[in-house]
Amino acid sequence: QKEVEQNSGPLSVPEGAIASLNCTYSDRGSQSFFWYRQYSGKSPELIMFIYSNGDKEDGRFTAQLNKASQYVSLLIRDSQPSDSATYLCAVTFYNTDKLIFGTGTRLQVFP
Amino acid sequence: EAGVVQSPRYKIIEKKQPVAFWCNPISGHNTLYWYLQNLGQGPELLIRYENEEAVDDSQLPKDRFSAERLKGVDSTLKIQPAELGDSAVYLCASSPRGAGDTQYFGPGTRLTVL
Repeated sequence: QKEVEQNSGPLSVPEGAIASLNCTYSDRGSQSFFWYRQYSGKSPELIMFIYSNGDKEDGRFTAQLNKASQYVSLLIRDSQPSDSATYLCAVTFYNTDKLIFGTGTRLQVFP
Repeated sequence: EAGVVQSPRYKIIEKKQPVAFWCNPISGHNTLYWYLQNLGQGPELLIRYENEEAVDDSQLPKDRFSAERLKGVDSTLKIQPAELGDSAVYLCASSPRGAGDTQYFGPGTRLTVL
């Protein structure tokens, strides 16, 4: 079983819709959760981090964390074509101090 | 504030040749990471430094890979000899403190081994 799992996609949504990206992780003791965006040929850039159960909003982005279900998600409201990229979920596993990345979900927002 | 700087951006070499990558982290960031990213995969940690100390090099193939961060600032990752399977993007990242802190990535070095 992979430690951090994401659907590779592509996830296709129309412009203006809500894109929902999901991530599950295997270590119940994980404490820090990150979403990175990576455009083709570029390096990952941080979108959001979340440490506590519940929702965290930043502009059009909302991260949702459910530690009991070992699930973290990213919602993008009013999706724009410029949001088309690969979204990487990353989790810091308990007692390893190591950031583990998922394989990423490719998002396509079409006009 | 300047970001993480890496060089070269691209490198093409023949197998069995040596290659080196350089990284300068964000000023004041004590923690430096080297990652490898294959196409369609997430970054995988090769080595993590806290200042000049390598605190996690468990995923570094030590028979051919080496790294150093002599003064606790910039770092060099070396491969000798390179193999075809080493073709990938090598990313450097830094964070103010440990792995639970936000990591900031450099632009990466795309290595092609022929």
